[in-house]
Amino acid sequence: QSALTQPASVSGSPGQSITISCTGTSSDVGGYNYVSWYQQHPGKAPKLMIYDVSKRPSGVSNRFSGSKSGNTASLTISGLQAEDEADYYCCSYAGSSTPYVFGTGTKVTVL
Amino acid sequence: EVQLVQSGAEVKKPGESLKISCKGSGYSFTTYWIGWVRQMPGKGLEWMGIIYPGDSDTRYSPSFQGQVTISADKSISTAYLQWSSLKASDTAMYYCARRPIAAAGNWYFDLWGRGTLVTVSS
Repeated sequence: QSALTQPASVSGSPGQSITISCTGTSSDVGGYNYVSWYQQHPGKAPKLMIYDVSKRPSGVSNRFSGSKSGNTASLTISGLQAEDEADYYCCSYAGSSTPYVFGTGTKVTVL
Repeated sequence: EVQLVQSGAEVKKPGESLKISCKGSGYSFTTYWIGWVRQMPGKGLEWMGIIYPGDSDTRYSPSFQGQVTISADKSISTAYLQWSSLKASDTAMYYCARRPIAAAGNWYFDLWGRGTLVTVSS
């Protein structure tokens, strides 16, 4: 199972919106509505931001939203803030024998 | 407080064995699976495997099958990740994370431990 493909970096100015893509195959992203997104600040553990493609856990800002089209999932951060500067990873269900595949990760920089 | 508490950092030599732990507290341990995720220095997240502590049903990533062993002791709400013979390439941060049980779905990790740094060097 190959890692899902994400852009290495995305940047934006405070207040802007950015979108991070996550491309897989019909065996993972395209085959199931089980894409999740994680935020990781330097030296910290990952934090769940989105699950089941577009659902937000309690306590996560509504500035974060998720979507999916075909084999590509996306995470959009609107109203970009300095605290959003972090690494972001997508993750998809890929079948019962190998349930998880992570993306390559995207570094978000707030200019 | 609901949390996953991981064991402390380890420094080992190549060829040595190691078992690190992840203890769940503040919730019913057998209502969640526990997964393990590797992060090598400066690199991304890699899923290693997952265990259901209720019956020890375990799945491994093909990349880690045979390289590590995942186990759990539900009586003390603790999951484990172990190596029989460490290599320098095992140097990484290892995270445990929980996945809510469900007949279908819930394929995400809603709570993560702080990680255990494993350094393997001669």
